[in-house]
Amino acid sequence: SQTIHQWPATLVQPVGSPLSLECTVEGTSNPNLYWYRQAAGRGLQLLFYSVGIGQISSEVPQNLSASRPQDRQFILSSKKLLLSDSGFYLCAWSVGGGSNQPQHFGDGTRLSIL
Amino acid sequence: DQQVKQNSPSLSVQEGRISILNCDYTNSMFDYFLWYKKYPAEGPTFLISISSIKDKNEDGRFTVFLNKSAKHLSLHIVPSQPGDSAVYFCAATDSGTYKYIFGTGTRLKVLA
Repeated sequence: SQTIHQWPATLVQPVGSPLSLECTVEGTSNPNLYWYRQAAGRGLQLLFYSVGIGQISSEVPQNLSASRPQDRQFILSSKKLLLSDSGFYLCAWSVGGGSNQPQHFGDGTRLSIL
Repeated sequence: DQQVKQNSPSLSVQEGRISILNCDYTNSMFDYFLWYKKYPAEGPTFLISISSIKDKNEDGRFTVFLNKSAKHLSLHIVPSQPGDSAVYFCAATDSGTYKYIFGTGTRLKVLA
């Protein structure tokens, strides 16, 4: 069966510090991968998605970036965090190349910027 | 532009009764719709989905209805149980884009 791992679960970072959140998927090949952010009291905002290694689509202009160095690894990064980057970050995967397939989410990372 | 809208931020229902959660969308290209359940500090869990070629899909206590002409879908939970208390998100996708657009969520509280 497929599983998705996301870490760390919580992170407290000072303004201006760098960020690296990692997500890996097991049990499937060539998945579509996604990063979302949920701000307090808000819905899920799609940040990035990837349909293959090295292929990243950005949905929202911001100081975050994403990379997919391996088939089942998706990394969310920032060089300098802003206060507004606080939130709950979620990684998700869906079957690659398939249509009408649900997304499956990791347990999320709670990021607090001080 | 909010393409997927959940206009009710919260809903309270007595245990054993029906819970109806609503969702509206604006993009006529959406062809696959999903409902997720989310507990605090956890990722959303997939509940049920429906393709645009159908108007109803059932899975146990959960039924999703799709009204394409009204661009509206709903999730029915019967009977509601206290463990159903969570935030419910609807989502939609145009299967040619790989992008899933989520609503803002409805917090369901099932009262014992």
